[in-house]
Amino acid sequence: GIQVEQSPPDLILQEGANSTLRCNFSDSVNNLQWFHQNPWGQLINLFYIPSGTKQNGRLSATTVATERYSLLYISSSQTTDSGVYFCAVDRTGFQKLVFGTGTRLLVSP
Amino acid sequence: ETGVTQTPRHLVMGMTNKKSLKCEQHLGHNAMYWYKQSAKKPLELMFVYNFKEQTENNSVPSRFSPECPNSSHLFLHLHTLQPEDSALYLCASSQVGGANPRGYTFGSGTRLTVV
Repeated sequence: GIQVEQSPPDLILQEGANSTLRCNFSDSVNNLQWFHQNPWGQLINLFYIPSGTKQNGRLSATTVATERYSLLYISSSQTTDSGVYFCAVDRTGFQKLVFGTGTRLLVSP
Repeated sequence: ETGVTQTPRHLVMGMTNKKSLKCEQHLGHNAMYWYKQSAKKPLELMFVYNFKEQTENNSVPSRFSPECPNSSHLFLHLHTLQPEDSALYLCASSQVGGANPRGYTFGSGTRLTVV
């Protein structure tokens, strides 16, 4: 099956810093999503981004489908950004997402 | 009420018990999913229902039994579980097909402990 690798596995930032999270996938995909899982376990859909670039406030994402990677940018990080960020892909067209192992982010004040 | 609602939030059950997890989506989506999240493992897809029909069963043991009576409700019936089944169980919904896909919306999850 398709492989999804995320880097770095862990990241510690000072509040206000910027960061880039990476997701590599091993095959062409119909769908790619970025999620944030907060400390209480809730998974929040950040971006639906099979290709191109999107921005939402301090967050933006870029997917280069032909090169099989996606990047999530977090600018001016806040303590509430802490948690685990997951990349997930689907190559079936039926939204059967395969998740990466995540990047654990800790933003300290 | 909006989004995807899961109940209960926490569940402790013995290995001989029978319990059910409930998921309800208020988004008008046509597909629903069960995922399992264990410590230090990626989220694992368990079951997929498209238009109330089960289209995926990822080699899940028979002690987990899904039920999708309509496109808004999804259940996971549990019986004779093992301690290694302790995990966070997440329900999600999405709209498959259509001109404006938005991807998954997840519920808050049920944290299950088997004793």
